[in-house]
Amino acid sequence: TQLLEQSPQFLSIQEGENLTVYCNSSSVFSSLQWYRQEPGEGPVLLVTVVTGGEVKKLKRLTFQFGDARKDSSLHITAAQPGDTGLYLCAGSGSSNTGKLIFGQGTTLQVKP
Amino acid sequence: GAGVSQSPSNKVTEKGKDVELRCDPISGHTALYWYRQSLGQGLEFLIYFQGNSAPDKSGLPSDRFSAERTGGSVSTLTIQRTQQEDSAVYLCASNELGGPYGYTFGSGTRLTVV
Repeated sequence: TQLLEQSPQFLSIQEGENLTVYCNSSSVFSSLQWYRQEPGEGPVLLVTVVTGGEVKKLKRLTFQFGDARKDSSLHITAAQPGDTGLYLCAGSGSSNTGKLIFGQGTTLQVKP
Repeated sequence: GAGVSQSPSNKVTEKGKDVELRCDPISGHTALYWYRQSLGQGLEFLIYFQGNSAPDKSGLPSDRFSAERTGGSVSTLTIQRTQQEDSAVYLCASNELGGPYGYTFGSGTRLTVV
């Protein structure tokens, strides 16, 4: 069974601080995605990474896929209150089906 | 439609009753997924439909859970004889090719079993 472990589970920081969220597994994934979810809504896709070592940037967010495609990280620079939410990583297994395996999520609170 | 639509948005039911949750995916999306999310937690896979292929039911937690997708579009998730542990947000998602591409999620149905 493929599992994704996210850390930390909870993060409360002040506006302007930097943070990193980690997503780790002992399994290889063909691709990995990051979603952000706000209360009462479904998750919204932020990025998909497919190549080992790949780095993608989305404004103040930087996503990295590990060389071995077993782990990923999300780094936010100068966090803002609007970044508050639940961040989820999700991996597509080696069978390359559409089914995604989700991590348990990281709840981020950015205080003004 | 413009997005994935789920109904109802909230459902409160008595223990032992049956419930039906509906998902209307984005028009043209061939793949449809159901996930379950407990409060503030990650998503638990339930079932996956891709085109005319047999659905992947490997995530359904018990035989009280079933789902169907009619005409390759609308899907209904049915929970029979609901239990309190079934309380959760049920999320539906769709995507175009059914491969490792990003999902578009609905806003979910919050089910409370009392």
